[in-house]
Formats: sequence, C-alpha cells, structure tokens
Amino acid sequence: EAGVVQSPRYKIIEKKQPVAFWCNPISGHNTLYWYRQNLGQGPELLIRYENEEAVDDSQLPKDRFSAERLKGVDSTLKIQPAELGDSAVYLCASSPRRQGVFTGELFFGEGSRLTVL
Amino acid sequence: SQQGEEDPQALSIQEGENATMNCSYKTSINNLQWYRQNSGRGLVHLILIRSNEREKHSGRLRVTLDTSKKSSSLLITASRAADTASYFCATDSGQTGGFKTIFGAGTRLFVKA
Repeated sequence: EAGVVQSPRYKIIEKKQPVAFWCNPISGHNTLYWYRQNLGQGPELLIRYENEEAVDDSQLPKDRFSAERLKGVDSTLKIQPAELGDSAVYLCASSPRRQGVFTGELFFGEGSRLTVL
Repeated sequence: SQQGEEDPQALSIQEGENATMNCSYKTSINNLQWYRQNSGRGLVHLILIRSNEREKHSGRLRVTLDTSKKSSSLLITASRAADTASYFCATDSGQTGGFKTIFGAGTRLFVKA
C-alpha cells in the first residue's frame, strides 16, 4: 500500500512570494489533514477534510492560506503571500474508516519543508 | 493550540534501559495516541488507547491512560539506538463529530549505543 505522498519535499522562497504544497493521501482514506510543524514543536492542525468538505478550518490563517481538496482525493495547500514566520514543515495526513467507523489513526507523509527568506 | 504536554522534553538513556515519557492533557478525550518522528521524517503511529481502556501493549511499548488525572505514559522497554526519535502524544476530542487530533510538543529521546 502506497503511503501519503507530498511534494515538494523542500521549498525555499522569498517573502511575499506564493507557494503551494500538494498531497496525495492513501487510497480510500476519506479524512485528510494539513498540519504545520515548527522546529522543535508538535504538529498544529490547519485544516481537516472529510472527502471534499473542509469540516474544520478554524486554525487556518485565511488571510493568506487556502486549501482545496477537489474530488475528495488530492489536496493542495497554498500560501500567498508567504511571510518569514511561515517557515515550517507542512505535513499532510490521512485517516481511514474501518467498517464505516473512524479509526483515529493518522498516516503522515514525509512533509514539505518551507524556508521563507 | 496544543492540548497535550509531554514530560520530559528530552531524555537520554543507554541502550537496554527503559524509557518512560508522560503526557498530560486538558479536556475530555475519545482516545489518546502516541506517534514517533525520526529526524526530518513524517510521524508514524505507534499505538492508540481509548478512553475506556487503562493499559495497552504493543511489542516493547506499554501505554497507560488515567482519565481521572488526564494523563498518559509511554514506556519503551529494552531501548535500542534505533528508538532515538521524538515521541508525541495526540488526543482526539471528536468535538466536531469527527476526529480533531491535537498533538503535544513531544519528548526527544536519545538512546546511546
């Protein structure tokens, strides 16, 4: 079974530039998460999708961040314009249901490390 | 916001020793999970314990949960150098009808060969 795939793995941009991250979850996983992880910290939830619906985006800074999950499969997370404080690792995770029930187990991709200069 | 707080923040032990990490959280939960993260990699799920369970084992891992104290512990027995990683507890409160998994800041474990 292929894991969660994220790209790019690394991205260096100058402040005020736009950037986008892509995530392909594990096939059949309805729930998709985007987390941000600052150095030395735990992941912080940005947005959670159930299929194509964003069911929790309360932590997403909507002035500059946007996300979409068209067709309920792949997802993109965009930052425009990027600020110095956006430097972090952006992690995508997906979660399966078993017999229709949420398992609660998250499967993570390797992350996209963003450096804003 | 981070619900869980791990203790200690860092832990250094010799290979073969046991490692114990603790997690405290603030609100009622549906379940609590532990994840491992090797440097520069994504998180890997280790074990999930539900709110009605008190103890769970998986290989060299033992997890306990005390909902009255809002705390959990992860014990790794007979540690190996390969166990060197950051360990995070994550709580699910399910307040939105699904799973809102919130992570703590993690414990950095270093196992010396």
